[in-house]
Amino acid sequence: EAQVTQNPRYLITVTGKKLTVTCSQNMNHEYMSWYRQDPGLGLRQIYYSMNVEVTDKGDVPEGYKVSRKEKRNFPLILESPSPNQTSLYFCASRDGLANPNEQFFGPGTRLTVL
Amino acid sequence: AQSVTQPDIHITVSEGASLELRCNYSYGATPYLFWYVQSPGQGLQLLLKYFSGDTLVQGIKGFEAEFKRSQSSFNLRKPSVHWSDAAEYFCAGGSQGNLIFGKGTKLSVKP
Repeated sequence: EAQVTQNPRYLITVTGKKLTVTCSQNMNHEYMSWYRQDPGLGLRQIYYSMNVEVTDKGDVPEGYKVSRKEKRNFPLILESPSPNQTSLYFCASRDGLANPNEQFFGPGTRLTVL
Repeated sequence: AQSVTQPDIHITVSEGASLELRCNYSYGATPYLFWYVQSPGQGLQLLLKYFSGDTLVQGIKGFEAEFKRSQSSFNLRKPSVHWSDAAEYFCAGGSQGNLIFGKGTKLSVKP
């Protein structure tokens, strides 16, 4: 089954404790991205990647890191989480760079930073 | 700057009534446009998409949307709303690469 998976689905942590949210897709998509969703703000892009070893900042990259060592994986790293990073996070992927294909979203990771 | 605007934060309709959710975009060229739905506690599901061609697009669950270039709009419609349609709806637009999302419209359905 074609899908985007994220782990963990729920995470409660404390300020300053490094964490990684994993994202994996099995559709051989070149393009992957991370979004955060906050009430009243919709989804905002954090980082995106057009292919292996190619990443770029989205609209709200501060406090986040990403890496793209393999095509299927695109982990989101919070080196020193803070309470304002409490949010619902979505990973997404799509194929092609110029093709306007739909993005496939993961199920979301709800992160709480105390 | 590119943007997608959903003017209505919250809409309530009666079950069986018609629905229209508004979406306006601001792009230099014709963007690719999408509507997603998010049920409580769930991820995002694609309802429909517009790339080019016929300006009236049909989607899943009985939804349709019409692209109107003159009004820079891509409104979502459904002729008869069901209680299960209660959810949050997001319009999104993209050119090459990135999607920009509107802030969402929450739909409540009255019995």
